[in-house]
Amino acid sequence: SAVISQKPSRDICQRGTSLTIQCQVDSQVTMMFWYRQQPGQSLTLIATANQGSEATYESGFVIDKFPISRPNLTFSTLTVSNMSPEDSSIYLCSVDRTGNTGELFFGEGSRLTVL
Amino acid sequence: GENVEQHPSTLSVQEGDSAVIKCTYSDSASNYFPWYKQELGKGPQLIIDIRSNVGEKKDQRIAVTLNKTAKHFSLHITETQPEDSAVYFCAATSSGYSTLTFGKGTMLLVSP
Repeated sequence: SAVISQKPSRDICQRGTSLTIQCQVDSQVTMMFWYRQQPGQSLTLIATANQGSEATYESGFVIDKFPISRPNLTFSTLTVSNMSPEDSSIYLCSVDRTGNTGELFFGEGSRLTVL
Repeated sequence: GENVEQHPSTLSVQEGDSAVIKCTYSDSASNYFPWYKQELGKGPQLIIDIRSNVGEKKDQRIAVTLNKTAKHFSLHITETQPEDSAVYFCAATSSGYSTLTFGKGTMLLVSP
């Protein structure tokens, strides 16, 4: 398994502000993924973060709202911009450490509450 | 795209009983089916998975079965214990790209 550290673990934010979530992995990985888990719901893929290229966003998610950085093979950030209460969710970083097999390992998540 | 349906949404059992959670998928190209356990306040943890070239896989008290013809797969937990209480998610994906489609989750409650 991979050790994945996310910061912050939780935060309370004001409407209209932005927050950046950091994800650090203990080894180099090609693909990192950002998921959103709304309260009591399942996991929805936001985007795939690839090192050296722009992130690939899923339908319903746009770069202006969720800009992603991937400066190296062990680190990524997700920013939630211009937040509204509807953005209150758990945001999860995950990696496919074995390389494109679907075996994802998740971080503990960042729990955001937007007031 | 892939669609994964999961049932039941909640499941209550007595300690020592068996629990079964079922999922169906829509994309016949899917060939990897993992199960995740998410405890309160934690991220999902992979507990078992199965690929389309096998019909069943066991790991101690946990087993997963796959019926490709019917496009459904199930998680079986035997001799349940209170620490098995959590939300369980099934997922599916086709090979070559790690974008899992998750079911909506099953909250399993094991009572002592």
